[in-house]
Amino acid sequence: AQSVTQPDIHITVSEGASLELRCNYSYGATPYLFWYVQSPGQGLQLLLKYFSGDTLVQGIKGFEAEFKRSQSSFNLRKPSVHWSDAAEYFCAVGAGNTGFQKLVFGTGTRLLVSP
Amino acid sequence: GAVVSQHPSRVICKSGTSVKIECRSLDFQATTMFWYRQFPKQSLMLMATSNEGSKATYEQGVEKDKFLINHASLTLSTLTVTSAHPEDSSFYICSARVPLGGGYTFGSGTRLTVV
Repeated sequence: AQSVTQPDIHITVSEGASLELRCNYSYGATPYLFWYVQSPGQGLQLLLKYFSGDTLVQGIKGFEAEFKRSQSSFNLRKPSVHWSDAAEYFCAVGAGNTGFQKLVFGTGTRLLVSP
Repeated sequence: GAVVSQHPSRVICKSGTSVKIECRSLDFQATTMFWYRQFPKQSLMLMATSNEGSKATYEQGVEKDKFLINHASLTLSTLTVTSAHPEDSSFYICSARVPLGGGYTFGSGTRLTVV
């Protein structure tokens, strides 16, 4: 079965410092991978996605992620964190056949940004 | 583009009553929509996959008779929580597949409180 692991429940980063959020997946075929961000009481906003091609994916708000098949990882990075980046981040893998893929989510990582 | 509108954003209902949540795709046709439930500080759990013009596919453990899903058009899916109880209180989020490899877009969520 497909699964996603986000090993860090909470991460605190100083404003201006770099960020890396970890994501490992388990999926038998080529995965469709996503990172979403959720502010309190809100829905999810897509940061970036990987379907195929270049393994380094650029997203919105200065985020990027790198797909590493050998490590089954899709870590999210940002070179300089802003206070507005404080939120919950979810990694997800698209599972199922092409026509009706569903998303399997990790448990999320809460990012706290300190002054 | 690819916006999903979810209403209401918040609803409080009495125990034993039913509540309907709507999810509309505003600028694209969504043949497949997904309904998720999110408990506080937890990840999103897929409840069901809603397919336009056919019956929804429910995940294991989700009561079909309690969570009625209707996807009567290419732009509207509804989730009705029937005979709601306090344990149904949660955050419900809908999602739709975006055509042409656009991934998945999410509604802003509905906070249901059953008193």
